[in-house]
Amino acid sequence: LAKTTQPISMDSYEGQEVNITCSHNNIATNDYITWYQQFPSQGPRFIIQGYKTKVTNEVASLFIPADRKSSTLSLPRVSLSDTAVYYCLVGDMGRAAGNKLTFGGGTRVLVKP
Amino acid sequence: ETGVTQSPTHLIKTRGQQVTLRCSSQSGHNTVSWYQQALGQGPQFIFQYYREEENGRGNFPPRFSGLQFPNYSSELNVNALELDDSALYLCASSLGSGFTYNEQFFGPGTRLTVL
Repeated sequence: LAKTTQPISMDSYEGQEVNITCSHNNIATNDYITWYQQFPSQGPRFIIQGYKTKVTNEVASLFIPADRKSSTLSLPRVSLSDTAVYYCLVGDMGRAAGNKLTFGGGTRVLVKP
Repeated sequence: ETGVTQSPTHLIKTRGQQVTLRCSSQSGHNTVSWYQQALGQGPQFIFQYYREEENGRGNFPPRFSGLQFPNYSSELNVNALELDDSALYLCASSLGSGFTYNEQFFGPGTRLTVL
């Protein structure tokens, strides 16, 4: 499984855009990039998933360059409730991998008023 | 639609004891995965059950065992508890089918403390 590297923590202010970059130099052809969000004492929650280029949903955008060796999660206009740990996951999400999710240490995002 | 539920919420045990944690999957989901999350770390995959059979296992000793029932609910059993087993245990359910990734929905977890 591809190893991921992401910043340990980031601070931001309400209304700002937060961009979290994840490095995954050894990403394989079959690997997808998935981001999860976790609040204290809760289970992780799926945010977004992509394979290449750009993916956008109602919560976030995911930017993946052509070489796929990194990806950037973009959270537009954050609010205090976006304070959480954000995990970047890379792996073959097919049944061959048993749908096993491999979490790293995550990025703790603190949104200040 | 009912989400993933886990019981109990909190549990305190002593070293050497055995514990059983329970998980009810989201309606319609046939796959359950269990994760262990130590304080300040990301969740670590323990094992997964798909249609009542184990479908993958992480790097955990055999004293971690599981079960999935015909209604797709699941149990995680841990024997001979050690202090390092203190963690948040998360259950996630999904609809497994073929080779397509299916989003995993996590429960709130069970906080286990081993003294």
